[in-house]
Amino acid sequence: DADVTQTPRNRITKTGKRIMLECSQTKGHDRMYWYRQDPGLGLRLIYYSFDVKDINKGEISDGYSVSRQAQAKFSLSLESAIPNQTALYFCATSDLGGGASYNEQFFGPGTRLTVL
Amino acid sequence: QQQVKQSPQSLIVQKGGISIINCAYENTAFDYFPWYQQFPGKGPALLIAIRPDVSEKKEGRFTISFNKSAKQFSLHIMDSQPGDSATYFCAARFGGANNLFFGTGTRLTVIP
Repeated sequence: DADVTQTPRNRITKTGKRIMLECSQTKGHDRMYWYRQDPGLGLRLIYYSFDVKDINKGEISDGYSVSRQAQAKFSLSLESAIPNQTALYFCATSDLGGGASYNEQFFGPGTRLTVL
Repeated sequence: QQQVKQSPQSLIVQKGGISIINCAYENTAFDYFPWYQQFPGKGPALLIAIRPDVSEKKEGRFTISFNKSAKQFSLHIMDSQPGDSATYFCAARFGGANNLFFGTGTRLTVIP
């Protein structure tokens, strides 16, 4: 979805390096999410943010940190990258969730990260 | 531990056939069950979603069947087309946080 952009799209780095993946959205959504996708494991939630002041850990937050710089920007950092963090990373956004209706999550195009 | 179990891992169907993907869950706190479709090089995109108080939802050639007592749900793709070739993920939403737990994915190939 062009309304959710991720940079870089591809990144190769070395063990121990600090890496930042960035996500921007023009959908005006409050909620933003970071997932990683691994073959055979599906997508797993790393962190999510309800707004600039509200950040929460997901299923697999160890080794990652995030920053919500503005409503439209949510960055994921790997402080010291390791090879098992090699994966496809997706950012997603949604409007307020919960309740009787399903609030669709809109995904960015992904960042392929390789840690050597 | 995988909160949502999905099968099969891969599926090959002839054009015009029916594709069926199955998912199961344990947590009764899940309150919405969406299916996402992902093409190579793209992010997942919502295909169809169902609430647990509904047994079936149909949108065009895509149908979700939901069995609340068995904690199972499935996606049926009728008259499958080569353009349907993609990876499909079932998911379950956890309450007010709108957080999703995804299945492991099914790679569907529709042969012309």
